Amino acid sequence: EVQLVESGGGLVQPGRSLRLSCAASGFTFAEYGMHWVRQVPGKGLEWVSGISWNSGSLSYADSVGGRFSISRDNAKNSLYLQMNSLRPEDTALYYCAKSTPRYNWNDANFDYWGQGTQVTVSS
Amino acid sequence: DIQMTQSPSTLSASVGDRVTITCRASQSISSWLAWYQQKPGKAPKLLIYKASNLESGVPSRFSGSGSGTEFTLTISSLQPDDFATYYCQEYKSFPLTFGGGTKVEI
Repeated sequence: EVQLVESGGGLVQPGRSLRLSCAASGFTFAEYGMHWVRQVPGKGLEWVSGISWNSGSLSYADSVGGRFSISRDNAKNSLYLQMNSLRPEDTALYYCAKSTPRYNWNDANFDYWGQGTQVTVSS
Repeated sequence: DIQMTQSPSTLSASVGDRVTITCRASQSISSWLAWYQQKPGKAPKLLIYKASNLESGVPSRFSGSGSGTEFTLTISSLQPDDFATYYCQEYKSFPLTFGGGTKVEI
């Protein structure tokens, strides 16, 4: 059974940093692109960042570029999101999502999602 | 960046109704479109990929069509379990974008 479990969220002051983690199991993690998607409660979905299976390709939303950094450790079956210079508008539930096809960076739709970790940026 | 516009934003329907949701892209995305269903307090669930391909395990009452800039998600006979919000997502190019969502109220 595929499982994605996010952690690392919490309450943080504006300008501070936070690192999110996503622990994956039930599939061969090293074969799939992985992504972060966020959602303000009661609002829509916003793609944040993605990374290819071998970390060779990375991409970010314009809203987080230069502040957030995505990475992965295939040996630990883990995905990360380093969030720096946090802003109140970064407040959201952050989902980790698995890309559907193997070894295909561009075919980025998501067949499995975690339950999310809440990030709140407030003084 | 590609913009995705969904309509309507809210839809009221009855059990057994045929329901259609539209998603328009600001430029051609070929068939690089997915549809998701999200229920309150839950993560999104993939329904359709590549515009018209049904994800494994998804009931056949769901179908997708379209290409280029205009796409539709159809529920042929609405069931009580289909009360949810539906999102389209383009994956023609990065950054990826989602539509604003359509809430289906039974």
